Amino acid sequence: GESVGLHLPTLSVQEGDNSIINCAYSNSASDYFIWYKQESGKGPQFIIDIRSNMDKRQGQRVTVLLNKTVKHLSLQIAATQPGDSAVYFCAENRDNAGNMLTFGGGTRLMVKP
Amino acid sequence: EPEVTQTPSHQVTQMGQEVILRCVPISNHLYFYWYRQILGQKVEFLVSFYNNEISEKSEIFDDQFSVERPDGSNFTLKIRSTKLEDSAMYFCASSWDRGGELFFGEGSRLTVL
Repeated sequence: GESVGLHLPTLSVQEGDNSIINCAYSNSASDYFIWYKQESGKGPQFIIDIRSNMDKRQGQRVTVLLNKTVKHLSLQIAATQPGDSAVYFCAENRDNAGNMLTFGGGTRLMVKP
Repeated sequence: EPEVTQTPSHQVTQMGQEVILRCVPISNHLYFYWYRQILGQKVEFLVSFYNNEISEKSEIFDDQFSVERPDGSNFTLKIRSTKLEDSAMYFCASSWDRGGELFFGEGSRLTVL
């Protein structure tokens, strides 16, 4: 599942710090948003989702924030671990569009021990 | 843990040749998808499939592409006459319901020479 691009934005954090990965979406009709993690050699893996009637949702060590006013989505990872190193994608969907997702360009997270 | 499996992991073909990429979705899932990712670019939706027919497709999914589920387990993507620009990682995915969590396979890398 190689998803590396030469110009992929990179976030480098120290192990144990919190990470924030940002995403701007384009379609104001989108009402369902998902964050995916992609490790080298693997396909995208679901992390957390949020619907447009919410502005925050928490999972285990992860929080997604949605700001519909500025069409911005963020993923916060608490106490980042080396195993969190991967490329992270946001994806948007209109709820009546099945799983016809529109993916963002991805951010590479590198965790320094 | 159930997973989506894809074969081959990597296929090299000559331009103009037909290619079939195979996927075994998670066994109780009902919705099936193909996405692709050209190196350095975003993951793009190709097609969704339900009840033995295409439910949605993108502009990328032209007449050169076809999908089928011939035996109730395998879900295949066929490219009739490959072009250089078809070189990409192709991801199969499945979900239990429409709009439900997508589970991706590890991808099949297609290289067209």
